[in-house]
Amino acid sequence: GQNIDQPTEMTATEGAIVQINCTYQTSGFNGLFWYQQHAGEAPTFLSYNVLDGLEEKGRFSSFLSRSKGYSYLLLKELQMKDSASYLCAGGYNKLIFGAGTRLAVHP
Amino acid sequence: DVKVTQSSRYLVKRTGEKVFLECVQDMDHENMFWYRQDPGLGLRLIYFSYDVKMKEKGDIPEGYSVSREKKERFSLILESASTNQTSMYLCASSLGGGRSGNTIYFGEGSWLTVV
Repeated sequence: GQNIDQPTEMTATEGAIVQINCTYQTSGFNGLFWYQQHAGEAPTFLSYNVLDGLEEKGRFSSFLSRSKGYSYLLLKELQMKDSASYLCAGGYNKLIFGAGTRLAVHP
Repeated sequence: DVKVTQSSRYLVKRTGEKVFLECVQDMDHENMFWYRQDPGLGLRLIYFSYDVKMKEKGDIPEGYSVSREKKERFSLILESASTNQTSMYLCASSLGGGRSGNTIYFGEGSWLTVV
C-alpha cells in the first residue's frame, strides 16, 4: 500500500526554525519530494531527495532516511511569506501526496 | 521554465452538464496527470498518462475520463457533472524516466463549482 503522513498544522515565529516531518510507506520508491503551496495557488517544487542525508538549498533543507521511511523539511530564518502548506510526496511512476502541513508564521 | 497551462481558472457548471478541462504543457514531458484537491483530503490522483493515447486510472477515477491525443495536451472530462465534483483541479506534467524526472510541475489550477 501507499501512505504518506504529516502533521496537519504547525505554528512558528518569524526568524525561528521549524521542522516539518513526513513518514511514508510506498509500494515503490523513486525519491521523496517536498512542495510548497500558498492558499489558492498551485503547489511549487521545493526539493527532491533520493539518497539518505540532508540536502540544503538556501533557507530550506530536506532530509531523508530510506530505512526509516522518514523525511523532514527544515525551514530556517522564517519569514511571514513562508506561511503556506507544505506537501510531502513520494512514489515510483506517479507521485502520491500527503494531505499537507499548514504552517502559520507569526510576528 | 516548465509551463503547464490550464484553459480555465474558474468555472461554474450545472449538474448533469458535460465539462471539459484542458491542459497543455510546453516542455515535451512524457507524463501528464490530473489531480483534484479538497480541504482535509489533500491532492488525489484522478488519472495519469505516460504516453500519447495511453492512460491509467489513479485513486479516484469514477465519474471522470481523460483524453491524450497529442503529447502536449491532456484533457479531463466530466461526463455528467455532479455537486460532489466541485473542487480545485490541478493538471501536472513530468519528464519521466525515473529519479528527478519524476518531479511534477503543476498548472495554476481550475476551480470548478457544480450547482
